Amino acid sequence: ETGVTQSPTHLIKTRGQQVTLRCSSQSGHNTVSWYQQALGQGPQFIFQYYREEENGRGNFPPRFSGLQFPNYSSELNVNALELDDSALYLCASSLTGPYGYTFGSGTRLTVV
Amino acid sequence: SQQGEEDPQALSIQEGENATMNCSYKTSINNLQWYRQNSGRGLVHLILIRSNEREKHSGRLRVTLDTSKKSSSLLITASRAADTASYFCATDEGGAQKLVFGQGTRLTINP
Repeated sequence: ETGVTQSPTHLIKTRGQQVTLRCSSQSGHNTVSWYQQALGQGPQFIFQYYREEENGRGNFPPRFSGLQFPNYSSELNVNALELDDSALYLCASSLTGPYGYTFGSGTRLTVV
Repeated sequence: SQQGEEDPQALSIQEGENATMNCSYKTSINNLQWYRQNSGRGLVHLILIRSNEREKHSGRLRVTLDTSKKSSSLLITASRAADTASYFCATDEGGAQKLVFGQGTRLTINP
């Protein structure tokens, strides 16, 4: 059992740029979700993928997009970065059903 | 949107004391989960309680759920310095896989 790994751990980007964040799910988990956590706030749901299809989306604009690969790893892409996109981005994997999620350590994105 | 609301926002106690955190939510749920987060790192799943359960234990943790009041509580007994962290409750929305988190309770255990 390897847990969830995210890369990179920290990233600084300029407003207007694009960014790709990566996540490797825990072995055996078929569902991956992405969350955005602003400083001092709880995580906010961005979207979820199941079997490479988007399976739910939160209140985020289309410039937030994602992919899930056959090996259940995942990417989060954000285009046209804005200052307010600065946050901790968390990836979580789980089995389908009422199970707890396994979170990665997150990617700290700073937009300047 | 954030459904769960934790109370208090911050709690500071002495090592060895018990810590109680509360969470309220607005709509019907299938289950409620509690997570711990250390210093802005990833969240660690602590416990999941289903809507037909009233109480659940895991080691020093005790979680209660009152669906009539739409509230839950997390009790940590015999606290340790290592319990210093932020604690979040999270609910599902109508069976969806999406978790909706509250703003968390920041717990500090003083030696």
